[in-house]
Amino acid sequence: DAKTTQPPSMDCAEGRAANLPCNHSTISGNEYVYWYRQIHSQGPQYIIHGLKNNETNEMASLIITEDRKSSTLILPHATLRDTAVYYCIVRSTFGNQFYFGTGTSLTVIP
Amino acid sequence: DTGVSQDPRHKITKRGQNVTFRCDPISEHNRLYWYRQTLGQGPEFLTYFQNEAQLEKSRLLSDRFSAERPKGSFSTLEIQRTEQGDSAMYLCASSSDRGNSPLHFGNGTRLTVT
Repeated sequence: DAKTTQPPSMDCAEGRAANLPCNHSTISGNEYVYWYRQIHSQGPQYIIHGLKNNETNEMASLIITEDRKSSTLILPHATLRDTAVYYCIVRSTFGNQFYFGTGTSLTVIP
Repeated sequence: DTGVSQDPRHKITKRGQNVTFRCDPISEHNRLYWYRQTLGQGPEFLTYFQNEAQLEKSRLLSDRFSAERPKGSFSTLEIQRTEQGDSAMYLCASSSDRGNSPLHFGNGTRLTVT
C-alpha cells in the first residue's frame, strides 16, 4: 500500500474552512484514499473515502487531484469539536490493512 | 448500528501478569482487526480475522500475544507475561468484506503495565 505524507500540525479559525492536505504520490490505480480522525482517548473515526472522484458527505468533502497523487480533506465550517488528529490512508481493494502514519494535528481556534 | 464495543476501557496490571481484552464488532461485519497505539503515534496493525479465521499477523505480534475469534463474532486478545513495553491503547475495528469498506473502530482498551 502506498505511503502518505501529511503536515504534522495545522491551525484553523472557528467557522472557517479547514483544508487538510495529503500527498500520496506512489498511489496505484486500485488504491482508495481514506480519511479518519481521532480525538484524544477515543478510537479513530471514519470520515470519508474515495477512488478518483470528489466525494462529499455530512462531515466533509474529499478532493482528489486528477493524477491522484494528492488529496485534500475539507471541513467546510470548522468547530472546536473538530480539533483532532486527522489521518490520510491509502489502501487497495485487495488490501487487508490500513496503515496509519502520524497524521495532522488540527487545532481549531476560537 | 451499536458500533464496535471493547472491554475493559482501562486495565492496569503488574509486569508478568496475563491480560485479556474483548472486542464485539458491528454485528453484520465479518472482518475484525486489532491495532495497537502508543502515545504520539498512529495505530499499528496487529492482526486480522475473516470470520473465525485469522488470516494475517504483524511481526509486532510476538509469541506472548494471541488472538481468537471462536465463532466469527466477538474476539479476544490475550497478552501473556506482560512487559512494560506492552503499555498502549489496544484498538479493535470491524468492516464488511466488500472491497473498499472502511474500518469502524471501537474506543480501545488502555493497558498500563507497572
